[in-house]
Amino acid sequence: RKEVEQDPGPFNVPEGATVAFNCTYSNSASQSFFWYRQDCRKEPKLLMSVYSSGNEDGRFTAQLNRASQYISLLIRDSKLSDSATYLCVVTALKGGTSYGKLTFGQGTILTVHP
Amino acid sequence: DTEVTQTPKHLVMGMTNKKSLKCEQHMGHRAMYWYKQKAKKPPELMFVYSYEKLSINESVPSRFSPECPNSSLLNLHLHALQPEDSALYLCASSQVLTRSGTDTQYFGPGTRLTVL
Repeated sequence: RKEVEQDPGPFNVPEGATVAFNCTYSNSASQSFFWYRQDCRKEPKLLMSVYSSGNEDGRFTAQLNRASQYISLLIRDSKLSDSATYLCVVTALKGGTSYGKLTFGQGTILTVHP
Repeated sequence: DTEVTQTPKHLVMGMTNKKSLKCEQHMGHRAMYWYKQKAKKPPELMFVYSYEKLSINESVPSRFSPECPNSSLLNLHLHALQPEDSALYLCASSQVLTRSGTDTQYFGPGTRLTVL
């Protein structure tokens, strides 16, 4: 089983649609969770950190369910500029410590069309 | 300002060349990272520096040699690379290293390396 699993998509949605991405992680001791977006041939950019209480940033909502080891990202009112690969990222733990090591999911490709 | 800069943007080198990649940040971050990313794959961690000391080496071949001359700079020296080393090399930084890895990492734009 992969440490972080995402539905690779691709997701093709029209402008204005709501789209949800899911991610599961295998290490129950993982501490920190993030969503990054990566445009084609560009670097990953932090979209948002994910907290147990859930958090929202404009059109984006992230949820974390520690019991199910499940992370989600909801994008409302999709824009053309939301087209990118969305990476689910979890701190990787080995022997109880991570020291900066992140584990990336394979990424979910989103294309928003007019 | 969450900017990490990298030079050069593109690099083409032969298998016998020696070259260096450079990374710089002025956010006062004390942890810096090198990642390698192949097409359609997520980034893979190569090295982690904390307070200018090498903290993690993910069993990277010795033809890749990292260096951290000061708290703002991170270099990756390349020698005798193979064509399969062609990839996007990303630098990242975060405030500090923590046991739980809670600090956000900010990535530079990367150097696209082609080895002929």
